[in-house]
Formats: sequence, structure tokens, C-alpha cells
Amino acid sequence: QSALTQPASVSGSPGQSITISCTGTSSDVGGYNYVSWYQQHPGKAPKLMIYEVSNRPSGVSNRFSGSKSGNTASLTISGLQAEDEADYYCSSDTSSSTLVFGTGTKVTVL
Amino acid sequence: EVQLLESGGGLVQPGGSLRLSCAASGFTFSSYAMSWVRQAPGKGLEWVSAISGSGGSTYYADSVKGRFTISRDSSKNTLYLQMDSLRAEDTAVYFCAKDSSSWYVGSFDYWGQGTLVTVSS
Repeated sequence: QSALTQPASVSGSPGQSITISCTGTSSDVGGYNYVSWYQQHPGKAPKLMIYEVSNRPSGVSNRFSGSKSGNTASLTISGLQAEDEADYYCSSDTSSSTLVFGTGTKVTVL
Repeated sequence: EVQLLESGGGLVQPGGSLRLSCAASGFTFSSYAMSWVRQAPGKGLEWVSAISGSGGSTYYADSVKGRFTISRDSSKNTLYLQMDSLRAEDTAVYFCAKDSSSWYVGSFDYWGQGTLVTVSS
């Protein structure tokens, strides 16, 4: 199972909105609504930001939103803040009853 | 408060074995699926294995199938990963993660801090 494809890096200025894409196939992203997004700061454990494509866990800012179209899922961060600078990973269930993560995206706040 | 505490990592020679443990607290352990996720130094996340809340269903990544075994002991609120025939490419920080459901759906709402496994001669 190949990793889902994410851009290596995305950057934006404080207050701006950015979108991170996560591209898979009909055997993972396109075939299931169990797409999640995680934020990871250096040396820390990942944190769940979005689950089941577009749901936010309690305590996660509403500046984070998720969506999906076909084989591509997206994470949008609006009102970008310095604390949002981190690595972001998507994940998806697969037809093989496994889980695949994305390649990861480094978000830089300019 | 949900807590997950991994232990058992360390240095092991290629071909050797290691057993990781993850002590869980703050939630009804048997009600949730659990997974192991690893991260090689400077690399991305890789899902390794999952087990249902009952322990009756297990799942493995192709990269570890036949070498790793996931299990759980609800009487001890502990998740395990038995790792055999270790290879250099298994070197990583291993995280245990709590699923948001009793069956494995791959949405991990809590993570441990990780334990480092180094496979080297």
C-alpha cells in the first residue's frame, strides 16, 4: 500500500488560509469516509484534528476544516496562526483492512 | 484523563526480538480498538498494526505481517506488540494510539509519547 500523496510544504502569512491536499485512490480515500488529519509538532506525538473527513474532535479550533472530493481529501486552516506551524498527516482506511498515512506536509507560518 | 504509556523500546540486533507494552488508563480499555504507529527518524508516520476492542480481530501492515504480533490484556489495561525477526528498517519511535471506536476505524484520538526501537549491530 503506497502512502497517500501530500505536498511537502505549504506556507502562509498569519491570518491567511491554506489548504493541504491528500491524494489517494478509489481503494482508500475515494472509497471510504474514514479519512483523518493529524498535526505533529517536533518531538511530540500526533494530535487528531479531523476525523471521518470533516468532523472536528472537541477542543480543536474551528479554524480547521476537512473535505473530500473523489480520491482527494483536503485540510483547510483558516486564520493561520504561529502555533499552526507543524507537520500535518492525512490517513485513510483501505480496502485491504489496513491504514495508510500521507507523506506529510510541513506548514510554515511566514 | 486518558493516558497511554509505552515501554520496552531499546537497542536490539538484527534478527532479534523485542516486546513493546502500552499501559492505558482513564478510559474503558476493552471498549476501544488500539493501534501501533511508528515513525522512523526524520520520516513520516507508518501504521503498523491494530486490534479490536475485544481482541478478536487483528490487522497488520504488509511490512510487518508474519513478524509482529499485536495483543491486549484487558485485565491489565495493556496493549502489546511482539516484534520478531527485527530488521534495520524497523528502527523507529513506536506510538500506541487509541481508536475512537470499539472496532478499528483508524481515527486515533489519543496517542502515547512513543518508545524508541533501534535495530543495529
